[in-house]
Amino acid sequence: KAGVTQTPRYLIKTRGQQVTLSCSPISGHRSVSWYQQTPGQGLQFLFEYFSETQRNKGNFPGRFSGRQFSNSRSEMNVSTLELGDSALYLCASSPGSGTAKNIQYFGAGTRLSVL
Amino acid sequence: AQSVTQLDSHVSVSEGTPVLLRCNYSSSYSPSLFWYVQHPNKGLQLLLKYTSAATLVKGINGFEAEFKKSETSFHLTKPSAHMSDAAEYFCVRMDSSYKLIFGSGTRLLVRP
Repeated sequence: KAGVTQTPRYLIKTRGQQVTLSCSPISGHRSVSWYQQTPGQGLQFLFEYFSETQRNKGNFPGRFSGRQFSNSRSEMNVSTLELGDSALYLCASSPGSGTAKNIQYFGAGTRLSVL
Repeated sequence: AQSVTQLDSHVSVSEGTPVLLRCNYSSSYSPSLFWYVQHPNKGLQLLLKYTSAATLVKGINGFEAEFKKSETSFHLTKPSAHMSDAAEYFCVRMDSSYKLIFGSGTRLLVRP
């Protein structure tokens, strides 16, 4: 079974631009969560989608948004990029039901650099 | 607030010696706890999870962790370190809304 796939792996953008990151969950998983990892703040939760609905949201500004499609694939969008948005963005999927419903499996991440 | 505290930012051991990575949690109830490992330029891999079925939890690659409610601890151990164990380790808890809350991480260095 294929794992969580994130594309692209690396991105370089300039301040003020916007960016879209993609995440394909493990087949059969219905929940997708997004996390930001920076040296200063560590790993922080952005949001979670389940069956195309945002079920949970972290403490990030509205410039950070996401969506989930009917095939459970998810995208994350960051508008008006700031230097501080430079980070590794990790996506995790979980089944969403059953005994292991909340165990999250992570992709390799997308490293975003904002210049 | 619910949190996890990893007591050491860096741990250095010699190959073949035991590993101990310390984690304490704050909670008013028995939490769901996890250990994840992150190798350089890689995502997070689940090592093991505690969900109240047993206090001693065995994970992959010879790692195990013991849940001690009286000490609010969930330390990660391995009897004998291998060079390939060098990585960053995260103690993680799941909050009541199923979000993951991460500790600050412990970087494990394994000396030959």
